[in-house]
Amino acid sequence: DTEVTQTPKHLVMGMTNKKSLKCEQHMGHRAMYWYKQKAKKPPELMFVYSYEKLSINESVPSRFSPECPNSSLLNLHLHALQPEDSALYLCASSQGGQPPALHFGNGTRLTVT
Amino acid sequence: AQSVTQLDSQVPVFEEAPVELRCNYSSSVSVYLFWYVQYPNQGLQLLLKYLSGSTLVKGINGFEAEFNKSQTSFHLRKPSVHISDTAEYFCAVSRIIGFQKLVFGTGTRLLVSP
Repeated sequence: DTEVTQTPKHLVMGMTNKKSLKCEQHMGHRAMYWYKQKAKKPPELMFVYSYEKLSINESVPSRFSPECPNSSLLNLHLHALQPEDSALYLCASSQGGQPPALHFGNGTRLTVT
Repeated sequence: AQSVTQLDSQVPVFEEAPVELRCNYSSSVSVYLFWYVQYPNQGLQLLLKYLSGSTLVKGINGFEAEFNKSQTSFHLRKPSVHISDTAEYFCAVSRIIGFQKLVFGTGTRLLVSP
């Protein structure tokens, strides 16, 4: 069982839709991450939250909007996505500080039609 | 900047045979080293990590890796694989000082057949 829970597992959305991905962890971790993974590729970092504040944005397009309501929750709001945004979106958490041993969720498989 | 090279995109092996998955890294500063495994339709799971100390690191599921600073390598080994080890394996590094972004290699698919 994974300790980082992501919902939904699968999501199909049109290019004009607005949807949100959710991530939850109860390990007391203070850093949370969003990664994007295309098929047969390694994960690519999108955002990092440290102590509920956005600390890293890897030049992600504004159609992706992260939110960290509290230390256990992380959301990714999606709007006006493109078909090339179809991917596996992974959430991860870590204790913060050193080293970044990440705990990943099982991801949300997103398809943009 | 750091980079990771996993030269083998796919490694086929028979069940109960030994396996080595190769990882080489490049960095101008000291780094931490990690191996992650990704089973089909799942997220990544930490197999093992090298932070400091003994260069031989033991991880979960019978895997181990050896850090070789002179060769800038961190190869993953298992003496006897099982069918259930079939998965994608990612090597990753992060710098010790400053923001510790994980830099992943391109992955190696381990295919274990009976």
